[in-house]
Amino acid sequence: EPEVTQTPSHQVTQMGQEVILRCVPISNHLYFYWYRQILGQKVEFLVSFYNNEISEKSEIFDDQFSVERPDGSNFTLKIRSTKLEDSAMYFCASIKIETQYFGPGTRLLVL
Amino acid sequence: QQQVKQSPQSLIVQKGGISIINCAYENTAFDYFPWYQQFPGKGPALLIAIRPDVSEKKEGRFTISFNKSAKQFSLHIMDSQPGDSATYFCAASMSSADGLTFGKGTHLIIQP
Repeated sequence: EPEVTQTPSHQVTQMGQEVILRCVPISNHLYFYWYRQILGQKVEFLVSFYNNEISEKSEIFDDQFSVERPDGSNFTLKIRSTKLEDSAMYFCASIKIETQYFGPGTRLLVL
Repeated sequence: QQQVKQSPQSLIVQKGGISIINCAYENTAFDYFPWYQQFPGKGPALLIAIRPDVSEKKEGRFTISFNKSAKQFSLHIMDSQPGDSATYFCAASMSSADGLTFGKGTHLIIQP
């Protein structure tokens, strides 16, 4: 069964550095999402993306975040200047019919 | 307004028992209510979902009960098994394509 894949599985970075998290949504899915989950807390919506543009974003998704679909398969989340509080698990998801399918996540640690 | 409140935070149930997790919401514009199951190190996976035009939906051992007037919905796991031990999240959104608002999660342990 097709799955959402994410790379890397873990990333450690220094505060102030830029990171790019990568996702390959399930092919023929049209909506893509990024969520984050701070350790031990709930999953929080960041942004949704449809037809090569942002369709919805939360208050968490400020100017330091950006998303891109650089080609027909990848979907990326860029954090321009990481902060300590960006440390979290980041999940990508894509949707078919009504179900959002989540990837396994990228654990980001900002030191 | 956007919050989904989930309880309990943790739950221990004996094998074969019924696990019940409750959620409440404020935003009456929410129109889609899924439950997700998450195992350690994995992403959330859809378990079952309901829309407010029905009061109950059952899939195997999992049932969602929905009370629109009370703005509450709950997950019942019948004949709970050790393999059901996981974290369960309720969620809500205005449509299935919108970003989901998650509850804080319930850590469920099924004791053999």
